[in-house]
Amino acid sequence: GAVVSQHPSRVICKSGTSVKIECRSLDFQATTMFWYRQFPKQSLMLMATSNEGSKATYEQGVEKDKFLINHASLTLSTLTVTSAHPEDSSFYICSASSGSHPSDEQFFGPGTRLTVL
Amino acid sequence: SQKIEQNSEALNIQEGKTATLTCNYTNYSPAYLQWYRQDPGRGPVFLLLIRENEKEKRKERLKVTFDTTLKQSLFHITASQPADSATYLCALVESGGGADGLTFGKGTHLIIQP
Repeated sequence: GAVVSQHPSRVICKSGTSVKIECRSLDFQATTMFWYRQFPKQSLMLMATSNEGSKATYEQGVEKDKFLINHASLTLSTLTVTSAHPEDSSFYICSASSGSHPSDEQFFGPGTRLTVL
Repeated sequence: SQKIEQNSEALNIQEGKTATLTCNYTNYSPAYLQWYRQDPGRGPVFLLLIRENEKEKRKERLKVTFDTTLKQSLFHITASQPADSATYLCALVESGGGADGLTFGKGTHLIIQP
């Protein structure tokens, strides 16, 4: 099956620093990549949708200047949390889809646990 | 307001029995509804997708039903095993076309007791 990887799996950083998370589709070309955030015992919340070569579409309430998304190729998307603060501590998960239809399966990465001290 | 509700309490089922999980939604018109399994500290894994014009889908020991009148989906695991213990998430995609992100429920924690 299709595999999506994320790196790093865990990161601990100091408040005010920036953190970059990579999401890669290993064996397929991802037309669309999605970034989700999950707080403990909460549902996954969609943060943004990115298509290769174009600007990401952010969900309401998600600051685009704080969460920078780059989808430079069909196999790589990055999420940079700029000037991270403790409230940004969460589990960040990406997913990738090879199609453009709602029924096209999304394959999820293993997630990145971010802890901001 | 829009809501997706799943049983918030953990569901304890004896091994070998059928586990039934519920997903109710409000103020959505989903084109598709999907079920995922999530283990602690891991990303969700896709299990089944059911379309708005389908009533039932099966895959091995799994069965999903979709009732757009009741605005409800039921997820069944037959002959449950301890390895089925996990959190199960329902997620939907609204009608409207294009590749959209999923809207997830909080999930139901299922515990299969040997």
